[in-house]
Amino acid sequence: RKEVEQDPGPFNVPEGATVAFNCTYSNSASQSFFWYRQDCRKEPKLLMSVYSSGNEDGRFTAQLNRASQYISLLIRDSKLSDSATYLCVVNTDKLIFGTGTRLQVFP
Amino acid sequence: DTGVSQDPRHKITKRGQNVTFRCDPISEHNRLYWYRQTLGQGPEFLTYFQNEAQLEKSRLLSDRFSAERPKGSFSTLEIQRTEQGDSAMYLCASGQGQEKLFFGSGTQLSVL
Repeated sequence: RKEVEQDPGPFNVPEGATVAFNCTYSNSASQSFFWYRQDCRKEPKLLMSVYSSGNEDGRFTAQLNRASQYISLLIRDSKLSDSATYLCVVNTDKLIFGTGTRLQVFP
Repeated sequence: DTGVSQDPRHKITKRGQNVTFRCDPISEHNRLYWYRQTLGQGPEFLTYFQNEAQLEKSRLLSDRFSAERPKGSFSTLEIQRTEQGDSAMYLCASGQGQEKLFFGSGTQLSVL
């Protein structure tokens, strides 16, 4: 079983839609969690950290469920510029990346 | 530019040759990671350093791979006797403690 699992997608959504991604992790001792964004042929960049109480940054909301060992990312009012791959990252002393979920927003 | 820099950006080599990549992290960062990424996959953990100490090396990594970080500054990743399966993007990232990582642009390796 992979340490971090994500649905690879692609998720094809129209502009303005709300889309949610989930991620599960296997190590219950994981300490911190992140979502990174990666554009085609570019390096990953931090989108947001994920806190136990849930957190929001503009149109993006991240949530953590430690009991079920999953993390979610919700994007509201999708923009064309949100098209990218979203990587779930879990810190178990080292940072482990999921395979990523590809999002394509169309006009 | 005070970001993470990697050199070279691209490397084409013949099977069986040795290659070495360099990463210069953000100067105040004590952690440095190496990842490998192939198309359609997320970055795969290879190894990481805290200052000059190599704390962990992936079990998936063969003995042909070695990394160093002398003096806790820049790092090198060497692949000996390259194979076609080594073709990938090699990403370096640095961070302070267990905080967020900043990635370099990567070295794209093609083994012919």
